Amino acid sequence: GQQVMQIPQYQHVQEGEDFTTYCNSSTTLSNIQWYKQRPGGHPVFLIQLVKSGEVKKQKRLTFQFGEAKKNSSLHITATQTTDVGTYFCAGPVGGNNRKLIWGLGTSLAVNP
Amino acid sequence: DAGVIQSPRHEVTEMGQEVTLRCKPISGHDYLFWYRQTMMRGLELLIYFNNNVPIDDSGMPEDRFSAKMPNASFSTLKIQPSEPRDSAVYFCASSPEGGGPLNEQFFGPGTRLTVL
Repeated sequence: GQQVMQIPQYQHVQEGEDFTTYCNSSTTLSNIQWYKQRPGGHPVFLIQLVKSGEVKKQKRLTFQFGEAKKNSSLHITATQTTDVGTYFCAGPVGGNNRKLIWGLGTSLAVNP
Repeated sequence: DAGVIQSPRHEVTEMGQEVTLRCKPISGHDYLFWYRQTMMRGLELLIYFNNNVPIDDSGMPEDRFSAKMPNASFSTLKIQPSEPRDSAVYFCASSPEGGGPLNEQFFGPGTRLTVL
């Protein structure tokens, strides 16, 4: 069945270092969403990418959607302790834009 | 806006007991989702509703699980009888109808369920 995989599973960085997480789908996606979940919290929507090759920035966060719309990445420049959490990607299942399949997430730890 | 409201926030129960989780979606949102989150399996969609009607319940693990949405402002997820392997965090999320491809989901704080 359809799968969404994320790597790495965990990442420890020193504050100020960059961080990247990658998301790969077994099928072409119509769009991809990214969420952040702080420890003990709930997933919070960050962004949705729709177009092939799309790149969007939110301050220190850069999101990319691959040309084939099967992969995506999230890059954080100069991490801060506030970036700690788990980052999830999610994509629609089949043609259903409302039903999402989620990656297992990348947990980011930042050492001050 | 108060956001998605879930209750209880924590539930500890014994195996075999009935558990009822409650959710109030954001007012005006037409979609409601129930998820289960575990370390091993991540976030799993259990069921979702559109305008109070169940659309897809293929993620409901067993007949022990049932969900209802009697009106636009309330939904329940019931587990009867509960088992230790049901221990997880259960999230409710809602989403507006929208007119374009954006289908952001707004999550509640979750219910942490422990079945002893």
